[in-house]
Amino acid sequence: QSVLTQPPSASGTPGQRVTISCSGSSSNIGSNSVIWYQQLPGAAPKLLIYRSNQRPSGVPDRFSGSKSGTSASLAISGLQSADEADYYCAAWDDSLNGVVFGGGTKLTVL
Amino acid sequence: EVQLVESGGGLVQPGGSLRLYCAASGFTFSSYWMHWVRQVPGKGLVWVSRISSDERISSHADSVKGRLTISRDNAKNTLYLQMDSLKVEDTAVYYCARAISGTRNSLDVWGQGTMVTVSS
Repeated sequence: QSVLTQPPSASGTPGQRVTISCSGSSSNIGSNSVIWYQQLPGAAPKLLIYRSNQRPSGVPDRFSGSKSGTSASLAISGLQSADEADYYCAAWDDSLNGVVFGGGTKLTVL
Repeated sequence: EVQLVESGGGLVQPGGSLRLYCAASGFTFSSYWMHWVRQVPGKGLVWVSRISSDERISSHADSVKGRLTISRDNAKNTLYLQMDSLKVEDTAVYYCARAISGTRNSLDVWGQGTMVTVSS
């Protein structure tokens, strides 16, 4: 059981916009920034979003993050087949004194 | 090229010990917070531990506290994870990762991972 809650799966067709939600609590998302990772099959995770809505250099602006209260979401616009991957949210948890991850969302491009 | 390379994984019996290594290159290692994250194949990411750039601050997940210990040698550009009293549930791929400059927990560079299998 993960501290952050994500839907196990999401799907969309090429060109579509999809969103992935991440729900937490006051000790994590409610008081700290949210981080999003993409993990392609057989690869290490890749940083997509940090400080809830900032993209590292090299990440396309098709990826965007937002946060409100104790929830966050990742939006992917102009969906591509290359976006098919697992997506994880994460945040620091002040009560646990550690980083907590969501269980991951498997995105399928139909 | 900015790179992290893990080593030291392998098969170990329950109750045994192992030391993981993460060799950093291509960046000023001593300026960055570093983390260990593990993943059972086919399952999700689980945070293990982190250490500050100057080694003064470290944190561990409750599930590994007292058994797994993070450390670093900035002179050798190397991150370590000492794993003692290993349990079957510690079996996973272990990744080392760097926190992006200016943050403590946003991991922008990851190694390829090293597999640890705890089994009799």
